[in-house]
Amino acid sequence: AQKITQTQPGMFVQEKEAVTLDCTYDTSDPSYGLFWYKQPSSGEMIFLIYQGSYDQQNATEGRYSLNFQKARKSANLVISASQLGDSAMYFCAMREGGGDYKLSFGAGTTVTVRA
Amino acid sequence: DAGITQSPRHKVTETGTPVTLRCHQTENHRYMYWYRQDPGHGLRLIHYSYGVKDTDKGEVSDGYSVSRSKTEDFLLTLESATSSQTSVYFCATQTSGSSTGELFFGEGSRLTVL
Repeated sequence: AQKITQTQPGMFVQEKEAVTLDCTYDTSDPSYGLFWYKQPSSGEMIFLIYQGSYDQQNATEGRYSLNFQKARKSANLVISASQLGDSAMYFCAMREGGGDYKLSFGAGTTVTVRA
Repeated sequence: DAGITQSPRHKVTETGTPVTLRCHQTENHRYMYWYRQDPGHGLRLIHYSYGVKDTDKGEVSDGYSVSRSKTEDFLLTLESATSSQTSVYFCATQTSGSSTGELFFGEGSRLTVL
């Protein structure tokens, strides 16, 4: 079964507007972590933000925030005040317990920011 | 940024030939991973290592083998490449000391099997 689901293959957003990227996850492990990575057209993987399953508050990193709804098993990424440089592929990922730190990734969402 | 170098960065090979991709890290990270990236699938784990000579399979390990004889090097081998192994391969590392457990990625290796 798919552990991470990203249902939006592609999105367009106007510069300076906010955009929400959806991510749902599936796990029975009470201890897990959720990640978002950005992959620009140059190909590198850039870590953006992390949310632990026991964290009480939603994670924020600059213009990135993670809308964590534990009961719904969703971990949506919100990018505020979009910039042209935000155009990229975005991946949601999850780490479950077990100590080997491996991540399971979703299929990704391509974001295109329009001027 | 973690010093992770993948080689080669680009390779074209023919079906049936052996291929080895190398991942070299300078951060002394204990955990190392090989992922493949394909459109519509995101990144999928091939194999990973949790120490020298300690490796385990990921979700798409068929047709791949790995070796880790030194902390800094993690090799991915395709014994007999097939066209279905055309992909972009990413190496990643993780230090057990990290509070968040994010992975640090190499630049990727694009492999084309004709």
